[in-house]
Amino acid sequence: AQSVTQLDSQVPVFEEAPVELRCNYSSSVSVYLFWYVQYPNQGLQLLLKYLSGSTLVKGINGFEAEFNKSQTSFHLRKPSVHISDTAEYFCAVTFLQGGSEKLVFGKGTKLTVNP
Amino acid sequence: EAQVTQNPRYLITVTGKKLTVTCSQNMNHEYMSWYRQDPGLGLRQIYYSMNVEVTDKGDVPEGYKVSRKEKRNFPLILESPSPNQTSLYFCASRVRPGGETQYFGPGTRLLVL
Repeated sequence: AQSVTQLDSQVPVFEEAPVELRCNYSSSVSVYLFWYVQYPNQGLQLLLKYLSGSTLVKGINGFEAEFNKSQTSFHLRKPSVHISDTAEYFCAVTFLQGGSEKLVFGKGTKLTVNP
Repeated sequence: EAQVTQNPRYLITVTGKKLTVTCSQNMNHEYMSWYRQDPGLGLRQIYYSMNVEVTDKGDVPEGYKVSRKEKRNFPLILESPSPNQTSLYFCASRVRPGGETQYFGPGTRLLVL
């Protein structure tokens, strides 16, 4: 079965430190890759996505992610976090196979930025 | 403003009392879906709709119904709610399946007593 694994359920960091949130997916079929962010008491909004082309994708708020096909990973990074980055982050993968597609979300990583 | 709206935002009800959560989008999107979010489980798809009058089950459809009579609306119906349906529900829409960005509503927090 197709699955998306976010290896860390919670990541605490200090303000201005770098952060990496990890995402791996199960299948070797063609994929589209997404990172969404959920601020407290809000819905999800798109941070960035990879559809094709350059494997390094830049998103909003200084985040970037790199697609690694051989490792089936799409890790999210930011070189220097702010208090306002405290939120839950979801990796999502659209698996494409045989003319059909299925979007699967990871279980989320709660990023807490401490002063 | 392009958006997905949901109502109500918060709802407390009792077991067995039918309820409907409305969802509406103003972006002329074909594809709409409902998710539930539970701690430690992430988002799980309940139902989705590829277009008007076309709906299909997601990963956790038991206990839920949907309808898509108009392109913009996609209500979620709980005919006989039970406590295990206490959750945070999100409606989402996108232009079409595939690589398009999915837009989420603000969420409906449901408590079933």
